[in-house]
Amino acid sequence: AQKITQTQPGMFVQEKEAVTLDCTYDTSDQSYGLFWYKQPSSGEMIFLIYQGSYDEQNATEGRYSLNFQKARKSANLVISASQLGDSAMYFCAMRDQGGSEKLVFGKGTKLTVNP
Amino acid sequence: EAGVVQSPRYKIIEKKQPVAFWCNPISGHNTLYWYLQNLGQGPELLIRYENEEAVDDSQLPKDRFSAERLKGVDSTLKIQPAELGDSAVYLCASSFGGGVYNEQFFGPGTRLTVL
Repeated sequence: AQKITQTQPGMFVQEKEAVTLDCTYDTSDQSYGLFWYKQPSSGEMIFLIYQGSYDEQNATEGRYSLNFQKARKSANLVISASQLGDSAMYFCAMRDQGGSEKLVFGKGTKLTVNP
Repeated sequence: EAGVVQSPRYKIIEKKQPVAFWCNPISGHNTLYWYLQNLGQGPELLIRYENEEAVDDSQLPKDRFSAERLKGVDSTLKIQPAELGDSAVYLCASSFGGGVYNEQFFGPGTRLTVL
């Protein structure tokens, strides 16, 4: 069965510093996708970054990068140069073929950026 | 390009009353999803549509929940009768096709409070 684990309920970071949000996953499929979403207090889920299971390079999107370690089944999100607007909930999610292609989410990590 | 539109944004009802949520996906997106997000949790899939067809409704509590997607565009999710435990955020998402690698775009959600 698909499973996403985010072990950090809350994280704090100083403005302009980098932060890593942890995510581990479990699947028996060879083909899957890993996603990170940001959910500010307004409630909308905002797509940040995607990593495919066959991608050899780690994904990057601006200040976001995904540290993909396939053998360890981890897909950590790295945010560089944190900004006050990065304060939000962050969800890791996975989609595989065995799970009817639905997104399975972790419980999320609440990131607070301090000035 | 307009994003996923949901209405209402907030709804407060008394238990045993019916309630309906509406979703308009991004133009051209044939796949539509309804998710339930309880407080402090990640979203969980309720139902997935491919065009007009509900291809995955295994998590939809069919005794009180129903959904429809007439003409393969807009969708409505209904609860009748509502219970206290239904208080949550109901998120709609859409994508162009299903598949492991396709990004899902989310709407702002409807926050339901059942008194």
